[in-house]
Amino acid sequence: DIVLTQTPLSLSVTPGQPASISCKSSQSLLHSDGKTYLYWYLQKPGQSPQLLIYEVSSRFSGVPDRFSGSGSGTDFTLKISRVEAEDVGVYYCMQAIHLRTFGQGTTVEIK
Amino acid sequence: QVQLQESGPGLVKPSETLSLTCTVSGGSISSSYWSWLRQPAGKGLEWIGRIYTSESATYNPSLKSRVTMSLDTSKNQLSLKVRSVTAADTAVYYCARDPGMVRGVVTAFDYWGQGTLVTVSS
Repeated sequence: DIVLTQTPLSLSVTPGQPASISCKSSQSLLHSDGKTYLYWYLQKPGQSPQLLIYEVSSRFSGVPDRFSGSGSGTDFTLKISRVEAEDVGVYYCMQAIHLRTFGQGTTVEIK
Repeated sequence: QVQLQESGPGLVKPSETLSLTCTVSGGSISSSYWSWLRQPAGKGLEWIGRIYTSESATYNPSLKSRVTMSLDTSKNQLSLKVRSVTAADTAVYYCARDPGMVRGVVTAFDYWGQGTLVTVSS
């Protein structure tokens, strides 16, 4: 089984400041097709999760450009360049190279 | 715009079978893969399985022995059955579109239902 480990598990951020979440995989997420199957989701309070980033660094439709993803192999990062109040919630990374598994989630709150 | 709506009993007795339906609108279920996921209160997300046709489902190994997913293309619905439930199966259950590779891009869980809470209790 592929295990995804997120750090930190919680984050308190001043509006306008940057935030960064790490996701480390127990195995490489680079597929033989050349793509890396790592995704990021945000679950806002009381809502279903929503896709933010696919294939490590591509923003899904409608996602603000303050969200960016990077990384390769087993180490990945989600960055929010300037956190806004609407960004609060739990962020999850997810791998889809072998079945699907999620990281534990990182709770982002506003200071 | 694709929309998904889960439905089913909110309360299931221990040892019985949990049965849920997900109705899809704004697109044909025959044109994509679909997944079921769940989330116990206050906890993280767990993927249950993925289906393209009723003969081509893939399940989470931890649940495989108790889970069956199927499609009803005439109703544009997917369904989930979890047998022999216990309190540990209490969770919000979600259906989500899980398209995989489409036109060279691989996405997953791009559209979600609002989720339905299922409680296992006598």
